Amino acid sequence: GQQLNQSPQSMFIQEGEDVSMNCTSSSIFNTWLWYKQDPGEGPVLLIALYKAGELTSNGRLTAQFGITRKDSFLNISASIPSDVGIYFCAGVTSGTYKYIFGTGTRLKVLA
Amino acid sequence: EPEVTQTPSHQVTQMGQEVILRCVPISNHLYFYWYRQILGQKVEFLVSFYNNEISEKSEIFDDQFSVERPDGSNFTLKIRSTKLEDSAMYFCASSFNHREQFFGPGTRLTVL
Repeated sequence: GQQLNQSPQSMFIQEGEDVSMNCTSSSIFNTWLWYKQDPGEGPVLLIALYKAGELTSNGRLTAQFGITRKDSFLNISASIPSDVGIYFCAGVTSGTYKYIFGTGTRLKVLA
Repeated sequence: EPEVTQTPSHQVTQMGQEVILRCVPISNHLYFYWYRQILGQKVEFLVSFYNNEISEKSEIFDDQFSVERPDGSNFTLKIRSTKLEDSAMYFCASSFNHREQFFGPGTRLTVL
């Protein structure tokens, strides 16, 4: 079946640093969503991407829909302690709205 | 800001028992979903529901599972005879346009 691989799996960064993570697949996707999940809570939608090449920002977060439509990237600028959590990408292919979730990137910010 | 709510937050049940997980989607949303997340793993799609019928389901969503929208506000997931491997977080989500999906806080199901 379709799989979304996220990298890195986890990362420790210093407060104030920029963070980059990505999501790749062998399948083509029509829509990408990025979510953040805190422990014991539901995923919170951060950014939605609908077109290849699209670059969208939400505050300190910027995400891009890859040109090949097989990947997406999320950047967090000037990280702060509350950025800690697990970031999931989710993608959907043509003809379905069954979102496939990535394996997650666990972010830890050191103050 | 409107949000998806779910009850109960934690459900403990004996293997073989039936459970019903409840969700109240965002009020003007038209599409409803259930996902599950086994501890430490990724979120997995179970089922989507639109216009009072299932629009898609995954291979996980077998005959033991059913969904219902019994009134204008609630959306439920029923597991008829729970198994140990059904232990997971179950998330309800809703969407206005079938694209951006908003998740509830989840119900932790523990099957003993």
